[in-house]
Amino acid sequence: SQTIHQWPATLVQPVGSPLSLECTVEGTSNPNLYWYRQAAGRGLQLLFYSVGIGQISSEVPQNLSASRPQDRQFILSSKKLLLSDSGFYLCAWSPTIGTGPDTQYFGPGTRLTVL
Amino acid sequence: GQNIDQPTEMTATEGAIVQINCTYQTSGFNGLFWYQQHAGEAPTFLSYNVLDGLEEKGRFSSFLSRSKGYSYLLLKELQMKDSASYLCAVMDSNYQLIWGAGTKLIIKP
Repeated sequence: SQTIHQWPATLVQPVGSPLSLECTVEGTSNPNLYWYRQAAGRGLQLLFYSVGIGQISSEVPQNLSASRPQDRQFILSSKKLLLSDSGFYLCAWSPTIGTGPDTQYFGPGTRLTVL
Repeated sequence: GQNIDQPTEMTATEGAIVQINCTYQTSGFNGLFWYQQHAGEAPTFLSYNVLDGLEEKGRFSSFLSRSKGYSYLLLKELQMKDSASYLCAVMDSNYQLIWGAGTKLIIKP
């Protein structure tokens, strides 16, 4: 069965510090991968998605970036965090388009607080 | 633009039935999803509808009318553990998920 991991679970960072969040998927090949942010009491905002190694699509221009160095690894980064970057960061995976329902399955999330 | 509407909050009694509505306007349609999200946790997949009609899964059912741009999630025999937010999401013609803001369901004894 497929599993998705995210770390760290919680993070408190000062404004202006760098960020690196990691997501890995097990039990599937060539998944579509997604980074979302959820502000307190709000809906999910898609940040980045990837259909393959090195292929990243950005949905929202901001000071965040994403990379996919391996098939089942997705990394979210920032060089300098802003207060507005605080939130709940969720990584998700879905099967390759055309191989079944495109249901997205979420990792446990990282709660980021920028002070 | 693309839009998903669902009520912000609903309250129901343990043992009762509740219906959470979702209306959508999107560029194309490739399916509608319902997720459950407990406070502080990640969303978990509940149901997927791509054809009109009712899909039943135990105590949970989901209905879709594509011509009306409308879906509902029906929860029967409510339990306290059903207290959560319920997220409606539609996959558009580009296979991107458009998310609603979620409905917070409060269950009272």
